[in-house]
Amino acid sequence: AQKVTQAQTEISVVEKEDVTLDCVYETRDTTYYLFWYKQPPSGELVFLIRRNSFDEQNEISGRYSWNFQKSTSSFNFTITASQVVDSAVYFCALSGFILTGGGNKLTFGTGTQLKVEL
Amino acid sequence: SQTIHQWPATLVQPVGSPLSLECTVEGTSNPNLYWYRQAAGRGLQLLFYSVGIGQISSEVPQNLSASRPQDRQFILSSKKLLLSDSGFYLCAWRGQGFDEPQHFGDGTRLSIL
Repeated sequence: AQKVTQAQTEISVVEKEDVTLDCVYETRDTTYYLFWYKQPPSGELVFLIRRNSFDEQNEISGRYSWNFQKSTSSFNFTITASQVVDSAVYFCALSGFILTGGGNKLTFGTGTQLKVEL
Repeated sequence: SQTIHQWPATLVQPVGSPLSLECTVEGTSNPNLYWYRQAAGRGLQLLFYSVGIGQISSEVPQNLSASRPQDRQFILSSKKLLLSDSGFYLCAWRGQGFDEPQHFGDGTRLSIL
């Protein structure tokens, strides 16, 4: 069975600090995809990034960076110079499970609440 | 570009009343469609998914049902709401590619009184 663990329930930082959100996953699939989503207070889930299991290159997008390490089954997310607007719940998700009849299932972690204060 | 619309944004219903939440997708064809519920706290629970018109699969037994009368329309329904149906309901779509992410609507906050 697939599982995603986000051990950090809540993190509070002061603006301009760097913060890393941890994500550890379990899967028996050899091909899978990992995702990060952001859920601001308004509620919608915003897709941030996708990474496939064969691509261990780290990625940077502005203040965001992602570190994928297959050896430790981790896909951590770092925000550099955090801002108040980064305050949200962040979800890590794993795809690879094929649902009956097609399509795929995302297994979500329980999320990490990030609070960035002035 | 593709967009997903979900309504209503907020709904307050009495116990025992019916429910209909609607979700439509624009700018794509034959999407996979999903209904999730997010209860108090943060976990996302997959309720239903559909890979085509009229094809509905349920992930968990419950008081709800789903229908897909058109390619880009996904409806979540109940004949009689329970208190435990309260929560935040999210609709999502994705394309057919295995690597494609799911894209979510703005959600419906459902409160049962």
